[in-house]
Amino acid sequence: KAGVTQTPRYLIKTRGQQVTLSCSPISGHRSVSWYQQTPGQGLQFLFEYFSETQRNKGNFPGRFSGRQFSNSRSEMNVSTLELGDSALYLCASSSGGREEKLFFGSGTQLSVL
Amino acid sequence: GEDVEQSLFLSVREGDSSVINCTYTDSSSTYLYWYKQEPGAGLQLLTYIFSNMDMKQDQRLTVLLNKKDKHLSLRIADTQTGDSAIYFCAPRGSTLGRLYFGRGTQLTVWP
Repeated sequence: KAGVTQTPRYLIKTRGQQVTLSCSPISGHRSVSWYQQTPGQGLQFLFEYFSETQRNKGNFPGRFSGRQFSNSRSEMNVSTLELGDSALYLCASSSGGREEKLFFGSGTQLSVL
Repeated sequence: GEDVEQSLFLSVREGDSSVINCTYTDSSSTYLYWYKQEPGAGLQLLTYIFSNMDMKQDQRLTVLLNKKDKHLSLRIADTQTGDSAIYFCAPRGSTLGRLYFGRGTQLTVWP
């Protein structure tokens, strides 16, 4: 079974631009969640989607948004990029049920210059 | 939210056992996970324990849970140089799909 696939692996953007990151979950998984990892703040929860609906949201500004498609693939968008948005963005997929196990992708390393 | 605390560094000699400790604050945490992260990689799920269990063994890994003290530990037997990585404790509360992560413990294994 293929794992969680995140694209692209690396991205370099400049301040003020916007970016879209993609995540393909494990086949059959209906939940996709996103995390931001930085050296200063560690791993922080962004949001989680289940069956195309945002089920949970972390404490990030509205510049961070996401969506999930009917095939469970998810995208995350960051608008008006700031230097502090430089981070490793990790996507995780799970069955979404009570005894869920979250499996992570390799992440997208975003650098904002 | 939940606070998760881990010590930042642990060094052991190859062949010894490693014990990584974690404390958390949310007593409603139902599942508690351990992840491993190698440089430049994502998080690898190592094992997890349900809150009604005290112990879970999985090959070289042993997880101990003290629910009363909200203390979780991961023991790695016969630690190898390939075990060098950052280990994260991640409880999940009542909210599905959301984990709370500690800052991670950097395990260094010396030959």
